Amino acid sequence: GQQVQQSPASLVLQEGENAELQCNFSSTATQLQWFYQRPGGSLVSLLYNPSGTKHTGRLTSTTVTKERRSSLHISSSQITDSGTYFCAPSNTGYQNFYFGKGTSLTVIP
Amino acid sequence: EAAVTQSPRSKVAVTGGKVTLSCHQTNNHDYMYWYRQDTGHGLRLIHYSYVADSTEKGDIPDGYKASRPSQENFSLILELASLSQTAVYFCASSEQNYEQYFGPGTRLTVL
Repeated sequence: GQQVQQSPASLVLQEGENAELQCNFSSTATQLQWFYQRPGGSLVSLLYNPSGTKHTGRLTSTTVTKERRSSLHISSSQITDSGTYFCAPSNTGYQNFYFGKGTSLTVIP
Repeated sequence: EAAVTQSPRSKVAVTGGKVTLSCHQTNNHDYMYWYRQDTGHGLRLIHYSYVADSTEKGDIPDGYKASRPSQENFSLILELASLSQTAVYFCASSEQNYEQYFGPGTRLTVL
């Protein structure tokens, strides 16, 4: 399986600040996805990034496969970015995405 | 229009009763999954399927059965619901080696 560690566990930012979320995992992953979840809400796929750097809007993800880590950078945070961010890698040959416990982000005015 | 739908969206069940959670996808994806999420935690895979009429065990299959009668439909069955199965259940679909798309979730409370 996979052990997934996300840091920090929680983060409070003022609106406009940038956020850097980290994800480390124990085994080689051929797939990796970042998700966003509002409290009590469904999961929204943010980025599918098994390797390299991917951008979408204010989000940038960098995955270094050999080092078994990925990061998610959120620029110019907004109050609506508040919620929990999950990193989920998947091993070769499997379709099981292993989820970390998430990073809870709170953006305040 | 939502591509992965779940029903019911919430359910209260009694201990020892049978519960069936349903999932329907219009993505034309081969893979479908059932996860559970406990408060304050990430998701854990219960069962998945990559073709109709076949299901595979995930990481926590005990106490759950799954059924994939067609490409579009995937059900999760709790034959004898227990208190420990109170959780939010998510269904997802994907192509092999591509990103997963999730349904809105079903909140199950077992009393």
